Amino acid sequence: QKEVEQDPGPLSVPEGAIVSLNCTYSNSAFQYFMWYRQYSRKGPELLMYTYSSGNKEDGRFTAQVDKSSKYISLFIRDSQPSDSATYLCAMSVGDYKLTFGKGTLLTVNP
Amino acid sequence: DADVTQTPRNRITKTGKRIMLECSQTKGHDRMYWYRQDPGLGLRLIYYSFDVKDINKGEISDGYSVSRQAQAKFSLSLESAIPNQTALYFCATSGTPGLAGEGSRSDTQYFGPGTRLTVL
Repeated sequence: QKEVEQDPGPLSVPEGAIVSLNCTYSNSAFQYFMWYRQYSRKGPELLMYTYSSGNKEDGRFTAQVDKSSKYISLFIRDSQPSDSATYLCAMSVGDYKLTFGKGTLLTVNP
Repeated sequence: DADVTQTPRNRITKTGKRIMLECSQTKGHDRMYWYRQDPGLGLRLIYYSFDVKDINKGEISDGYSVSRQAQAKFSLSLESAIPNQTALYFCATSGTPGLAGEGSRSDTQYFGPGTRLTVL
């Protein structure tokens, strides 16, 4: 079993839809959780950062962490074509190394 | 100017050639990382360095070597390139330890634009 599992998609939604992206993990020592966004031919950029369990909201984006279920989610409200990208979840036990999911390719159609 | 730069951005080479990929950063971070990204495999850590004198192997270091010339510079070398090293390579940096607990961003990594390497 991989430490971090992420459905690669692809996921295609109409503009304005609510998007839900998810990762599961097996290492209960993970305590820092991140979502990165990667546009085609670009490097990943940090989108959301969460420590431990709970929710965090930033504009149209909400990150949720459920440590009891070893499950994290990213919700995108009112999705826009500019949100079309690959979304990578990443996690750390606090040793400054990240374990990444394989990424989910999202396309938002106008 | 970009905080993390990589050169070259694209490189095509032949099997057996020695290749060096370079990374520079202006973020003042101590920690630097090299990853490769392959379709279906995601980002995999090749090497990482927590300061100039501290270099560590990642999960896929075979066939690669690194050099940390200064705090701001971290180079990746392929001593004898082979076709299965064809991939997208990323350099990343992260900051010195900050406050522990909620709000700490010390694990956050900042990525360069990548180098697309093709080995024929």
